[in-house]
Parts: sequence; structure tokens; C-alpha cells
Amino acid sequence: GENVEQHPSTLSVQEGDSAVIKCTYSDSASNYFPWYKQELGKGPQLIIDIRSNVGEKKDQRIAVTLNKTAKHFSLHITETQPEDSAVYFCAAIRGSTLGRLYFGRGTQLTVWP
Amino acid sequence: GAGVSQSPSNKVTEKGKDVELRCDPISGHTALYWYRQRLGQGLEFLIYFQGNSAPDKSGLPSDRFSAERTGESVSTLTIQRTQQEDSAVYLCASTDRGNEQFFGPGTRLTVL
Repeated sequence: GENVEQHPSTLSVQEGDSAVIKCTYSDSASNYFPWYKQELGKGPQLIIDIRSNVGEKKDQRIAVTLNKTAKHFSLHITETQPEDSAVYFCAAIRGSTLGRLYFGRGTQLTVWP
Repeated sequence: GAGVSQSPSNKVTEKGKDVELRCDPISGHTALYWYRQRLGQGLEFLIYFQGNSAPDKSGLPSDRFSAERTGESVSTLTIQRTQQEDSAVYLCASTDRGNEQFFGPGTRLTVL
């Protein structure tokens, strides 16, 4: 099956700085890569996603890049704000659009004011 | 509209007891998933329902775990003879024909 590795496990940045979280996957058949944000006591919420036919996608301060050859994808948050503090999870799906998600272990992002 | 709801939000039980967790998916969503999240860990897939197809049970950790779903409605996850290692947050998600899985707030299970 798929194996998703995520780094770092914790990340602390100053408000206004950028944050980068990286993930690798093992199954070349994976074709959809979402990123979820989980705030304390809540379920994960999708913040951005990318499909394997696209190399980069941006939504305001958040961007995701995908390198299919190297099988890695990254989340970039610019101009970080304290409300960005949360746990971020990368995930991958192979094949079916209704398949199970394979998650990374998460990154605890802390943004200091 | 309403999102995915789960009940109870918290459950404390004694080792050896059975527990039942409930998930109400978003109306019209054909697929429903259960995940387990241990403290400080990622999400671990448990089981997946898609319409009337046989569920994918490949993530269930033991035969003490089972789940049911009637049609495209409510699902229940049952854990029999609970053990302390079952303590975790159990998350339910649903989706329609798109990829985005919408998660509920989870049920925090504590086995004493």
C-alpha cells in the first residue's frame, strides 16, 4: 500500500515568516494530494489540494507544489499569522476518487506573535 | 447545510466494556470513512463504505472492531471488549463523487 512520510513533526515560526511542510509518498499510482488543517478539538479540514497533472497550486497565502518524479509534495504558507497555528496533515489517494486517504503523521505548526 | 456529526463527543468506559460510536454523514454523500487518531499521531484508516458495495474493512485492527452502515445514512462503529490501547479520537468522514473528505469533530474514547 501507500506510505506517506511528513516532515517536520513540529515547526515554530515568527508571525510574518513563511512555513514549509514536506511530504513524500511511495505509490506512483497516487494521483490526488490534499492538505488538511486540524485545530484543537476539531476534525481535519481541507485547506488545499493538488492533482497529479498539476505541478503547483496557489490559494492566497497557501501554495502546494508537487514533484511526481521525486514523489514529493510540499505545503507553503507565506506571511504566517497566529491563527495558522494548528496541526497540518498531508495525504494521498491512489486510483479511485472515492478511495481511502493515506495520511502523514502531521506537523504541529506554531506561529509566535 | 449541516456537516458531518458524531456522537457522543466524549466517551469514557471501563476496560472490557463494549462501546458504540455514531456518525451522521452529510446528506447525499455516498462514501463514508472511519479513521482513528491516537494522541499526537496521524489518522489511521479503519473502514470505508461506498453505496451498496461491500465495505473495505482492511484497516480494522482486530475482530473486536466492526462497523455498519444502512444505505447512505448513519454509520455505527462498535468496539467490543475495549482495551486501553483503543483510547483515541475516532473520526468519521464522508464524501460525494469528489475527492474532498469532510470530517466530523470526532469522538474521544477513553478506556480506563
